[in-house]
Amino acid sequence: EAGVVQSPRYKIIEKKQPVAFWCNPISGHNTLYWYLQNLGQGPELLIRYENEEAVDDSQLPKDRFSAERLKGVDSTLKIQPAELGDSAVYLCASSLATNTEAFFGQGTRLTVV
Amino acid sequence: AQSVTQPDIHITVSEGASLELRCNYSYGATPYLFWYVQSPGQGLQLLLKYFSGDTLVQGIKGFEAEFKRSQSSFNLRKPSVHWSDAAEYFCAVGARIRSSGNTGKLIFGQGTTLQVKP
Repeated sequence: EAGVVQSPRYKIIEKKQPVAFWCNPISGHNTLYWYLQNLGQGPELLIRYENEEAVDDSQLPKDRFSAERLKGVDSTLKIQPAELGDSAVYLCASSLATNTEAFFGQGTRLTVV
Repeated sequence: AQSVTQPDIHITVSEGASLELRCNYSYGATPYLFWYVQSPGQGLQLLLKYFSGDTLVQGIKGFEAEFKRSQSSFNLRKPSVHWSDAAEYFCAVGARIRSSGNTGKLIFGQGTTLQVKP
């Protein structure tokens, strides 16, 4: 069974440019998470979806970040415009349901220059 | 609100020695508890989880963890460390009950970096 797939693995962009990350969760997993991981820190939740509904986006900086999960499967996380402080690893995870174990993708390492 | 504390930012042990990584959590009821491992440039891999029942849980790669309600702890242990265990380890807590303000998300500690000496 394929795990959580994220792309790209690495992205370097100039500040003020837009960037998008894509995530394909494990088949059948209704819950999808986007986490932000700064260097030397644990992951912090940005947004959680149950099917296509965003049920927790309280930590998502909505002035520049947006996310969608059309049809309740794949998800895209976008930043526009990117700032230097957005340099981090963006992790996608999925689980069968909330409060079951989450399975993580390999992450996208974003560098904003 | 939930929180997780991993008191040790960095630990070095010799190969073959025993290991214990500490994790303390703050939550008003019994939470769901997890340990994840992250190798450089990789995502997080689940080592083990505690939902209910036996407070000593076994995981992959020879790891185990013990839930101690009285101490609000969920420490990770391994009797004999291998060089391949060098990585970053994260403890996480999930809320068990949906109540006001609880969104069911995982809260992670800051991680403990394990270095293994030959």
